[in-house]
Amino acid sequence: GENVEQHPSTLSVQEGDSAVIKCTYSDSASNYFPWYKQELGKRPQLIIDIRSNVGEKKDQRIAVTLNKTAKHFSLHITETQPEDSAVYFCAASKSNFGNEKLTFGTGTRLTIIP
Amino acid sequence: NAGVTQTPKFQVLKTGQSMTLQCAQDMNHEYMSWYRQDPGMGLRLIHYSVGAGITDQGEVPNGYNVSRSTTEDFPLRLLSAAPSQTSVYFCASRIHRGDPGELFFGEGSRLTVL
Repeated sequence: GENVEQHPSTLSVQEGDSAVIKCTYSDSASNYFPWYKQELGKRPQLIIDIRSNVGEKKDQRIAVTLNKTAKHFSLHITETQPEDSAVYFCAASKSNFGNEKLTFGTGTRLTIIP
Repeated sequence: NAGVTQTPKFQVLKTGQSMTLQCAQDMNHEYMSWYRQDPGMGLRLIHYSVGAGITDQGEVPNGYNVSRSTTEDFPLRLLSAAPSQTSVYFCASRIHRGDPGELFFGEGSRLTVL
């Protein structure tokens, strides 16, 4: 099955600086790569996703890049703010005639230092 | 819409006891799933369903049963609880079984097995 590795497990950045979280996946057939944000004690929520026919996607201060050849994708957060402090999860899945299984990475705890 | 509703939010069990975690969604989503979240392990898929009457195993199905008699409900049953099942459980749903799009999570159920 799919295996998703996520690094780093913890990340601290000064407010206003950029943060980058990286993930690698094992199944070359995977074609959907979402990122979820989980604030302390809350449910995970989708913040951005990318499909394999696109190399980069941006939404205001967050962006995701995908390198299919190397089988890795990254989350970029610019101009970080205190509300960006949370655990971020990457995930991967492939279309499988309705039986898609979303495999998550182990998470990155991002702390924004004021 | 209430979205995805899980009950109970907290539960303490003794080893060997049984219980059912309830999950309901009012968005007419075809796909429903259960994940468990453990520190350093990310979110791991337990069971999922692509429609009423159809269920399948995820990554960590042992010790858990599910059924899907209606589109709205997807209960998770622990037949004989073990300390290793101490975890936070999330139910999640998405619109179409054939489209790996956004997962909508419930608020989570924290289970402790003594």
